[in-house]
Amino acid sequence: GENVEQHPSTLSVQEGDSAVIKCTYSDSASNYFPWYKQELGKRPQLIIDIRSNVGEKKDQRIAVTLNKTAKHFSLHITETQPEDSAVYFCAASNNNFNKFYFGSGTKLNVKP
Amino acid sequence: ETGVTQTPRHLVMGMTNKKSLKCEQHLGHNAMYWYKQSAKKPLELMFVYSLEERVENNSVPSRFSPECPNSSHLFLHLHTLQPEDSALYLCASSQEGSLPYEQYFGPGTRLTVT
Repeated sequence: GENVEQHPSTLSVQEGDSAVIKCTYSDSASNYFPWYKQELGKRPQLIIDIRSNVGEKKDQRIAVTLNKTAKHFSLHITETQPEDSAVYFCAASNNNFNKFYFGSGTKLNVKP
Repeated sequence: ETGVTQTPRHLVMGMTNKKSLKCEQHLGHNAMYWYKQSAKKPLELMFVYSLEERVENNSVPSRFSPECPNSSHLFLHLHTLQPEDSALYLCASSQEGSLPYEQYFGPGTRLTVT
């Protein structure tokens, strides 16, 4: 089955700096890669996703890049703000979109 | 409340108790999921129901028993649990076959097994 690894487990940045979270996956059949944000005490919510026919996708201050050859994808947050503080999860899925394999999460702390 | 709701939000139970977790989705989705979220662990997929049929059982112990009576409701029946089963149990729903394949999560049930 698929194995998704996520690094780092914790990340602390100064407000205004950039943050990068990286994930690797093992199943070359995976072709859909969402990122979820979970604020303290709240439910995970989708913030951005990318499909394998695209190398990069951007939405305002967040972007995701995908390297299919190396089987890794990354989340980039620019101009971080305190409200970006949360746990971020990457996930991978293949054509069976009922099954998502999640990474272990990254706790991002943005210091004002 | 709209979206995905879960009850109860908190549950403390002894190892010999039997309890049930309830999930309801108000989004018209056709797939529902149970996840387990433990400290410092990834979200672990437990069960998947698609069109009210169980399509995935991710090697979950038999002390966890899911039930999906219709496309809007999902239950997780618990019996003779162990302390290591203490975790946040998240329900989610999605619309299978329809972009953006987003999983809509409920607020979770915080379960403590004593």
